[in-house]
Amino acid sequence: DAGVIQSPRHEVTEMGQEVTLRCKPISGHDYLFWYRQTMMRGLELLIYFNNNVPIDDSGMPEDRFSAKMPNASFSTLKIQPSEPRDSAVYFCASRLGTGGRDEQFFGPGTRLTVL
Amino acid sequence: GQNIDQPTEMTATEGAIVQINCTYQTSGFNGLFWYQQHAGEAPTFLSYNVLDGLEEKGRFSSFLSRSKGYSYLLLKELQMKDSASYLCAVRQTGANNLFFGTGTRLTVIP
Repeated sequence: DAGVIQSPRHEVTEMGQEVTLRCKPISGHDYLFWYRQTMMRGLELLIYFNNNVPIDDSGMPEDRFSAKMPNASFSTLKIQPSEPRDSAVYFCASRLGTGGRDEQFFGPGTRLTVL
Repeated sequence: GQNIDQPTEMTATEGAIVQINCTYQTSGFNGLFWYQQHAGEAPTFLSYNVLDGLEEKGRFSSFLSRSKGYSYLLLKELQMKDSASYLCAVRQTGANNLFFGTGTRLTVIP
């Protein structure tokens, strides 16, 4: 398996522009997680899906952020409009199972810079 | 709510042993995870503890004391490639997500 795939790997944009991050989870995994990582705040959960349904979006910073999972093999995280404070590395992770030692597998991340 | 405390940085010598501590507070505990993250890369799973005691996996071991809200990751025979950040994460009862600490950046020196 190719693992979790994210695109783009790097994104540089200007304040006010729309940004769309993409994720393909590992085939067969039923959980998908979006995280944001910064030096100051570490790795923060933004939202997660189970069987394509959003379960917990309490970590989404504000209405400028939205996430969708139209099918089991694709998810997007959109920021509109983007702001400089959104600059961070955004990770997508997927997992199979509902408990125990079921580990999350992380994608390579998207490094977002908003100027 | 949840809270995790880890030292921000540690330095150790190649070939030595290092212990990275993690203390946590959570309402309902259902497992503690350790992840390794090399600079510029994604976190990768190292270990999982849900019962008290020590779990050993090669050069790495992880310990948990639920009554004390405490875990540590023990790395033996340190190698230069062990230089990375080590993230402690907890899962609450009934939850499917993890809450991560800010990580401990370990530097291994010759």
